[in-house]
Amino acid sequence: GNSVTQMEGPVTLSEEAFLTINCTYTATGYPSLFWYVQYPGEGLQLLLKATKADDKGSNKGFEATYRKETTSFHLEKGSVQVSDSAVYFCALSVRVAQKLVFGQGTRLTINP
Amino acid sequence: KAGVTQTPRYLIKTRGQQVTLSCSPISGHRSVSWYQQTPGQGLQFLFEYFSETQRNKGNFPGRFSGRQFSNSRSEMNVSTLELGDSALYLCASSRTSGGATDTQYFGPGTRLTVL
Repeated sequence: GNSVTQMEGPVTLSEEAFLTINCTYTATGYPSLFWYVQYPGEGLQLLLKATKADDKGSNKGFEATYRKETTSFHLEKGSVQVSDSAVYFCALSVRVAQKLVFGQGTRLTINP
Repeated sequence: KAGVTQTPRYLIKTRGQQVTLSCSPISGHRSVSWYQQTPGQGLQFLFEYFSETQRNKGNFPGRFSGRQFSNSRSEMNVSTLELGDSALYLCASSRTSGGATDTQYFGPGTRLTVL
């Protein structure tokens, strides 16, 4: 079946540090890949997406590249801010099935 | 453009009761999906509706049901509530159904507590 595995959290960094959150997937066919972010008390917000191999999604300084050979979609940011503190979810969807399969989420805390 | 709205935001019920949650999608979106979020199981897909028809269903008991109206608004119902149904219920809308490139946009969720 289809599944997503994220690095275990929580992750705690200092402001301006480099961020990497690992995400790998297993899927039949050719999935689209997403990163969503959830701030305390809120729903999910789409952070970025990539729909085919070698695509790079980017938004608000975050980037992730769809790597088919390693079945990965790691999230990176060069310099994190306190406001980036949230829970990050990696997810995939496959064609003909409009449903998202999520990883377990990674809680990120940025200290000033 | 207004986002996905969900009502109510918070609900407290007791075991055995039933509950109905409502979701209004983004204007022009015809697909509505529901997800359950719990600390133990994470985010799990419940079902998806498109043009008033259920297109996909997750692995949940029959106590969980839903429907979609002609204006694309959707409701989900949980009957005979159990303590384990306490969760954040998220609704997401997208323009179409079955298109993996189509993005789902989420509402703020309804926090259900079962006592």
